[in-house]
Amino acid sequence: AQKVTQAQTEISVVEKEDVTLDCVYETRDTTYYLFWYKQPPSGELVFLIRRNSFDEQNEISGRYSWNFQKSTSSFNFTITASQVVDSAVYFCALSSDYKLSFGAGTTVTVRA
Amino acid sequence: DGGITQSPKYLFRKEGQNVTLSCEQNLNHDAMYWYRQDPGQGLRLIYYSQIVNDFQKGDIAEGYSVSREKKESFPLTVTSAQKNPTAFYLCASKNPKTVLINNEQFFGPGTRLTVL
Repeated sequence: AQKVTQAQTEISVVEKEDVTLDCVYETRDTTYYLFWYKQPPSGELVFLIRRNSFDEQNEISGRYSWNFQKSTSSFNFTITASQVVDSAVYFCALSSDYKLSFGAGTTVTVRA
Repeated sequence: DGGITQSPKYLFRKEGQNVTLSCEQNLNHDAMYWYRQDPGQGLRLIYYSQIVNDFQKGDIAEGYSVSREKKESFPLTVTSAQKNPTAFYLCASKNPKTVLINNEQFFGPGTRLTVL
């Protein structure tokens, strides 16, 4: 069985602060993908980043960066210099085969 | 523009009535999915279909039914057997042909169902 845990329920920051979202996962599969999705107030899930289980290289894409550590089964996500438009619910997800397993989500509020 | 459409955005029904949620995609994706989201929770998989005329139960299929007669369409029926149907329903699709390279699902805007 797959499981994704996002321990942080809510995070509130002031604009321009960095925000790091934690994600821990469990799976018995050796090949899997990890994702971060953003859900703004409109409700639609927006794909942000993807990482496969064979690639632990951490990357930066604009204001987004992620830290994938297979040894600790963690896939943390950081928003640098947060903006009000970053306010949303962020979901970490794990995929193997054809199904996605989601964490409970972390609500990020960025105050001006 | 390619994408996934769900209609309507908001839906109200009386208790005991069946209701069908629409999901259409023009991305030419083979696989389609239905998820349910409750407040403060992540998405839970209801049903999924990897190909036309075939579908599989997800984690919470009881009280729901689906059909996949066309590649573009994957309607979800919430039956009167579903004990707590009020929720936000999201449809998604994916092209499994690219599973080794690109495994993300693309989501529609969702339908918020309220049973009165």
